[in-house]
Amino acid sequence: AQSVTQLGSHVSVSEGALVLLRCNYSSSVPPYLFWYVQYPNQGLQLLLKYTSAATLVKGINGFEAEFKKSETSFHLTKPSAHMSDAAEYFCAVSGAGGTSYGKLTFGQGTILTVHP
Amino acid sequence: DAGVTQSPTHLIKTRGQQVTLRCSPKSGHDTVSWYQQALGQGPQFIFQYYEEEERQRGNFPDRFSGHQFPNYSSELNVNALLLGDSALYLCASSPGYNEQFFGPGTRLTVL
Repeated sequence: AQSVTQLGSHVSVSEGALVLLRCNYSSSVPPYLFWYVQYPNQGLQLLLKYTSAATLVKGINGFEAEFKKSETSFHLTKPSAHMSDAAEYFCAVSGAGGTSYGKLTFGQGTILTVHP
Repeated sequence: DAGVTQSPTHLIKTRGQQVTLRCSPKSGHDTVSWYQQALGQGPQFIFQYYEEEERQRGNFPDRFSGHQFPNYSSELNVNALLLGDSALYLCASSPGYNEQFFGPGTRLTVL
């Protein structure tokens, strides 16, 4: 079984400030981890993914995330927030094998607000 | 290269009716997954199709069924609609088990 917990349903930052969105996961098999972004009335866009290679993963739009097995975490960061980063962010996990392979389990989402 | 497309964009139905949603995968993708996203929630996995067969299924009742065609496009059917079926239905395609690319979704409202 797998699950994802995103800590903080709403995060607010000032433009230019550090963005930190938290994600903890639970998985009975080695996980693959993903961050997706969703803009209003749109589908999901993949930001980055961890698939058991480098633990520090760089994605699009300046985002990155670090896989920490000991902490079962995969937090998303960006050094300097832009107004265009305002959106909802979802962390997701799938198994690297077994019956959960290819099936994404999502967290509840974190809405990021960026103030000028 | 067109991405994942879904139709219709919006749909309004009444309780007890049946609905069919459609998805065309990204070119070169042979696997289609469907997700339900209720308002304010993360997407929930409904099922996944590969080679015209349901490969995996989430915790959804049999009222939810699907189909995949030889050209890899897919349909999601929901029978006996309930108010709680109101949601954004997302289709995602992938080349096998690799990363999934999502379409814009179909917004279903059940009255």
